[in-house]
Amino acid sequence: KAGVTQTPRYLIKTRGQQVTLSCSPISGHRSVSWYQQTPGQGLQFLFEYFSETQRNKGNFPGRFSGRQFSNSRSEMNVSTLELGDSALYLCASSLEHQNTGELFFGEGSRLTVL
Amino acid sequence: GENVEQHPSTLSVQEGDSAVIKCTYSDSASNYFPWYKQELGKRPQLIIDIRSNVGEKKDQRIAVTLNKTAKHFSLHITETQPEDSAVYFCAAPTGGGNKLTFGTGTQLKVEL
Repeated sequence: KAGVTQTPRYLIKTRGQQVTLSCSPISGHRSVSWYQQTPGQGLQFLFEYFSETQRNKGNFPGRFSGRQFSNSRSEMNVSTLELGDSALYLCASSLEHQNTGELFFGEGSRLTVL
Repeated sequence: GENVEQHPSTLSVQEGDSAVIKCTYSDSASNYFPWYKQELGKRPQLIIDIRSNVGEKKDQRIAVTLNKTAKHFSLHITETQPEDSAVYFCAAPTGGGNKLTFGTGTQLKVEL
């Protein structure tokens, strides 16, 4: 069974640009969550999607958005990039409907904003 | 509010010694407490979890204890080995769905 796949793995953008990151969950997993990982802040929750609906949202500005497609694949978008958006963006999928099971993380997309 | 505090931020032990990492949480409704290990340059992976209906769970050299009254849980690693060197994150559910709030991580270094 293939794991969680994130693309692209690395990308470099400049301030003011926008970026779209993609996540393909494990087959059969309908829950997809996104986290931002930085050295100082650890893993910060961005949002979670389940069956194409956003169920939870973290404390990030509206520049951060996401969506989920009918095949459970998810994308997140960051508009008007700032230097502070440089981070590793991790996607995680889960088989469970609620917090009762494991989150399976992808390798992440490392974003550098210059 | 939703908060998970984790200590220490760094921990250095000699090979063969034990390591303990502690976390506290604020949401009294939390009922599931996982621990994730992240090796350098790798993805976080679940190593053990505990649910609120038990006080302790053990899996070979790792164990987790939970004190719901005090709202804290701990990870115990015995007979540490160099391959245990990694960053360890505790987490607790805050809100519905699969939302987890993570602690800030503990960098564990096992020295030969």
